[in-house]
Amino acid sequence: DAGVIQSPRHEVTEMGQEVTLRCKPISGHNSLFWYRQTMMRGLELLIYFNNNVPIDDSGMPEDRFSAKMPNASFSTLKIQPSEPRDSAVYFCASSFWSGGSTPDTQYFGPGTRLTVL
Amino acid sequence: GENVEQHPSTLSVQEGDSAVIKCTYSDSASNYFPWYKQELGKRPQLIIDIRSNVGEKKDQRIAVTLNKTAKHFSLHITETQPEDSAVYFCAADYYGNNRLAFGKGNQVVVIP
Repeated sequence: DAGVIQSPRHEVTEMGQEVTLRCKPISGHNSLFWYRQTMMRGLELLIYFNNNVPIDDSGMPEDRFSAKMPNASFSTLKIQPSEPRDSAVYFCASSFWSGGSTPDTQYFGPGTRLTVL
Repeated sequence: GENVEQHPSTLSVQEGDSAVIKCTYSDSASNYFPWYKQELGKRPQLIIDIRSNVGEKKDQRIAVTLNKTAKHFSLHITETQPEDSAVYFCAADYYGNNRLAFGKGNQVVVIP
């Protein structure tokens, strides 16, 4: 099993540019999570999907952030326009959700380290 | 919603000693409590989890205990080794859905 795959692993861009982060969840998983990690704020949930449908996007900082999941094997997180304060490590995680009362294990991808100059 | 707090923020232990990290949570309906380990520059990885129908779970040198009445759970690492040095995150689920609330993390430093 290849695990959760994210690309790119590192991204350096200039303020105002559009940034697109990509994630491929583990095959068979039906839940996908986007997190942002910084020293100051720790690990923050931005948005998550169940069966390709966004369930909770209350963690998305502002309208500059958007996420899509067009199919079960691919998701994107887009920042447009990017700002220096968006610099962070962005993790994608996936799990299998059976709809029961407790969740299954979330497996994290390697992360994308984003630097906005 | 769920709120998870971890204490202490940094823990230094001598190699071979035990380390204990405690987390508290706010939602009494939470049922699932995982612990993740994150080494420098790496992804968080699940090391152990516990569900509310048990009070303790062990896996070699790692154990987790759960006190649902007091709403806290703890990670115990025995016979610590240098490779145990990492940031450890606790988490708790939001009842009825599959999202997790993470604590801020504890830096554990094992001194050789």
